[in-house]
Amino acid sequence: AQSVAQPEDQVNVAEGNPLTVKCTYSVSGNPYLFWYVQYPNRGLQFLLKYITGDNLVKGSYGFEAEFNKSQTSFHLKKPSALVSDSALYFCAVRPFEGGYQKVTFGTGTKLQVIP
Amino acid sequence: ETGVTQSPTHLIKTRGQQVTLRCSSQSGHNTVSWYQQALGQGPQFIFQYYREEENGRGNFPPRFSGLQFPNYSSELNVNALELDDSALYLCASSLATRNTEAFFGQGTRLTVV
Repeated sequence: AQSVAQPEDQVNVAEGNPLTVKCTYSVSGNPYLFWYVQYPNRGLQFLLKYITGDNLVKGSYGFEAEFNKSQTSFHLKKPSALVSDSALYFCAVRPFEGGYQKVTFGTGTKLQVIP
Repeated sequence: ETGVTQSPTHLIKTRGQQVTLRCSSQSGHNTVSWYQQALGQGPQFIFQYYREEENGRGNFPPRFSGLQFPNYSSELNVNALELDDSALYLCASSLATRNTEAFFGQGTRLTVV
């Protein structure tokens, strides 16, 4: 069975400071990994994904994520946080093998950027 | 915006009733997945449809069923509604290739009273 853990319910960061939202995963075989963002009463917006290749993945709105196979982690990062980044962030995993798109999501981390 | 549209946006139903939620996929996407997101939780996979057939299902009872139409739009049907079915229901469309991400609609907020 696959699973995702987001150990922090909430992360607070001052505007302009770097931010990190943590994610660890468990899956059989190699993973596909994703980050999505959700604004209040809205669906999920895709930010970035890791498939293969470089461990540092760049995505939308200046976000990036680092894949670490030995630590089974895929932490989301941004060098300089904006107030508009305040939202709910979800990490997700699906196995490399498998004929369908069953994606398992974490419970989410609320990011609060303080002006 | 993703191009995935869901209707209605909000719905209130009584326990025991049946409900149908609708989803139009992003143009060119042939795979549709449905998720249930309870308050304060991450989305939970309900099932996926590809070429009008269910080809994957999460841990949901049979009273959750679906359809996919030739134009790749989809419906989620829930029978015998229970209070715990109150949630945001998300539809996601994608291509049927392994390395593609899913694009989500804005969701339907279902309240069961």
